[in-house]
Amino acid sequence: AQKITQTQPGMFVQEKEAVTLDCTYDTSDQSYGLFWYKQPSSGEMIFLIYQGSYDEQNATEGRYSLNFQKARKSANLVISASQLGDSAMYFCAMREGESGGSYIPTFGRGTSLIVHP
Amino acid sequence: DAGVTQSPTHLIKTRGQHVTLRCSPISGHKSVSWYQQVLGQGPQFIFQYYEKEERGRGNFPDRFSARQFPNYSSELNVNALLLGDSALYLCASYVGGLDYGYTFGSGTRLTVV
Repeated sequence: AQKITQTQPGMFVQEKEAVTLDCTYDTSDQSYGLFWYKQPSSGEMIFLIYQGSYDEQNATEGRYSLNFQKARKSANLVISASQLGDSAMYFCAMREGESGGSYIPTFGRGTSLIVHP
Repeated sequence: DAGVTQSPTHLIKTRGQHVTLRCSPISGHKSVSWYQQVLGQGPQFIFQYYEKEERGRGNFPDRFSARQFPNYSSELNVNALLLGDSALYLCASYVGGLDYGYTFGSGTRLTVV
């Protein structure tokens, strides 16, 4: 079974509008973490935002917020006021457990976001 | 500050050849991980080294090997290249702990012909 599911292969949004990218996850661990990364056409993955399973408030970083619904096992990324530079692939990732203070994330297949002027 | 640096940026190899990819982490980052990303898919985990010890290995054949040096830089080696090894190979480092994201390099684009 997929640990991370991103069901939207492609999304389109008008500049300055908000967009939500979906992510659902599957884990039996009580302690886990969820990450979102952006990958522009240059190839470099850029860390955007993190949500821990015990965090009661949704994480926010500038124009990015993570809509965390634990019971539904979803961790959707919301980008407010989209900009042309937001056009990229977006990957959801999950940390389960840990090993000596480090972790290995599992990534979803990604969602392509195109922002129209 | 220098980010994660990978070399080379692009590489073309013939089937059956060997390849070595190199990665220098951010200064102070003790963990280096390698990922393979095939076009249209998410990154697939290959190896993680933390404080020069192998901490994890993904579902890749023994043709793939890696190591981390005393200065925390790392090499990924792939022997007997197959056409299916063509991909973007990403290296990532992070400071350690559970709540920090990884910092990725721009990757090495490997094409096997």
